[in-house]
Amino acid sequence: NAGVTQTPKFQVLKTGQSMTLQCAQDMNHEYMSWYRQDPGMGLRLIHYSVGAGITDQGEVPNGYNVSRSTTEDFPLRLLSAAPSQTSVYFCASSPWTGAQYFGPGTRLTVL
Amino acid sequence: KQEVTQIPAALSVPEGENLVLNCSFTDSAIYNLQWFRQDPGKGLTSLLLIQSSQREQTSGRLNASLDKSSGRSTLYIAASQPGDSATYLCAVNRDDKIIFGKGTRLHILP
Repeated sequence: NAGVTQTPKFQVLKTGQSMTLQCAQDMNHEYMSWYRQDPGMGLRLIHYSVGAGITDQGEVPNGYNVSRSTTEDFPLRLLSAAPSQTSVYFCASSPWTGAQYFGPGTRLTVL
Repeated sequence: KQEVTQIPAALSVPEGENLVLNCSFTDSAIYNLQWFRQDPGKGLTSLLLIQSSQREQTSGRLNASLDKSSGRSTLYIAASQPGDSATYLCAVNRDDKIIFGKGTRLHILP
């Protein structure tokens, strides 16, 4: 099993550009989530999904969209990047109320 | 709103000592609590998961306890080693929202 994979590892955007961070898992987990990690702020939940076709907002959803068309994939879309979205983004998956498995992260810089 | 607090924010201890990391949460109606470690510039590695019906979990030199009624969990590390140096995070799961503490940065002195 590859576990949780994220692409790209690094990305630099200009303000106003859009992009999609990819996340995939091959463990047939129902639950998937996106976090951002910022110095002094810890990990904060952006969006999560409890299954294909179901998504919901976390603590800091503004500026981000998600969709879950398959069990395996949970992409995160930045519609119009802002410098405040400079962060490290982590995707995670877990079985229902089970242990979370994290991807390696995407380091995003918005200029 | 669930809040998760980890105290202290940083801790330095000599190699070989036993130590305890603390995690407290405000809403006791949780599904589970999970402890992670994170090395600088890396992702999160799961250490222990405690379901709401459990009181503790053990893995090697690590033991995590959960007291839901008081909103507290501890991570006990026995016979600490320099390789244990990392940031340790706890996360609570309630109503499908998983909330993290800000972590304790642990430094084991050789």
